[in-house]
Amino acid sequence: KQEVTQIPAALSVPEGENLVLNCSFTDSAIYNLQWFRQDPGKGLTSLLLIQSSQREQTSGRLNASLDKSSGRSTLYIAASQPGDSATYLCAVKNTGNQFYFGTGTSLTVIP
Amino acid sequence: DADVTQTPRNRITKTGKRIMLECSQTKGHDRMYWYRQDPGLGLRLIYYSFDVKDINKGEISDGYSVSRQAQAKFSLSLESAIPNQTALYFCATSSEQSVYGYTFGSGTRLTVV
Repeated sequence: KQEVTQIPAALSVPEGENLVLNCSFTDSAIYNLQWFRQDPGKGLTSLLLIQSSQREQTSGRLNASLDKSSGRSTLYIAASQPGDSATYLCAVKNTGNQFYFGTGTSLTVIP
Repeated sequence: DADVTQTPRNRITKTGKRIMLECSQTKGHDRMYWYRQDPGLGLRLIYYSFDVKDINKGEISDGYSVSRQAQAKFSLSLESAIPNQTALYFCATSSEQSVYGYTFGSGTRLTVV
């Protein structure tokens, strides 16, 4: 069974800092990996989707990378803002067509 | 209108009651899922359906049942609610093509007292 781990569980940074969130997975036979943002008590908003054949995807201040062989993905957030405060989740889609989620990293950006 | 709509948004029910959570989508996706989210446990898959005639148990299906009434509708039932089913429930959709990821609904917060 695929296991997805996100480290750190919580992160607090001052506004303006660049930061990296980590996601690791145990089974490298994946179709894709997706990063989500979740605000407290709300649903999940898709941020970036990386196919297994891709190395990275970018959207605005966000950049996600994927290293299948090492079972790792990172989400890079540039010039962080208080509005970036949320929980960030990664999900891995396996060849069995199921998605497996990490438990998330709770990010607080301090003004 | 949201692509994936869940109703109700919030619900408080008593132990032993039957309750249904509903999900409808306008994405045209063939695959639909029900997850529950608990603090510290992340999202866990309850049931999923790859088309109208296909229903599959997920990781934590005990105490739950589902119905795929149409491609766009997927409902989750708790036959006899118990307090440890208090959680945030999410419906999600995806497409068969692997290029697509998930689209989530806004969630239903269920409290069983």
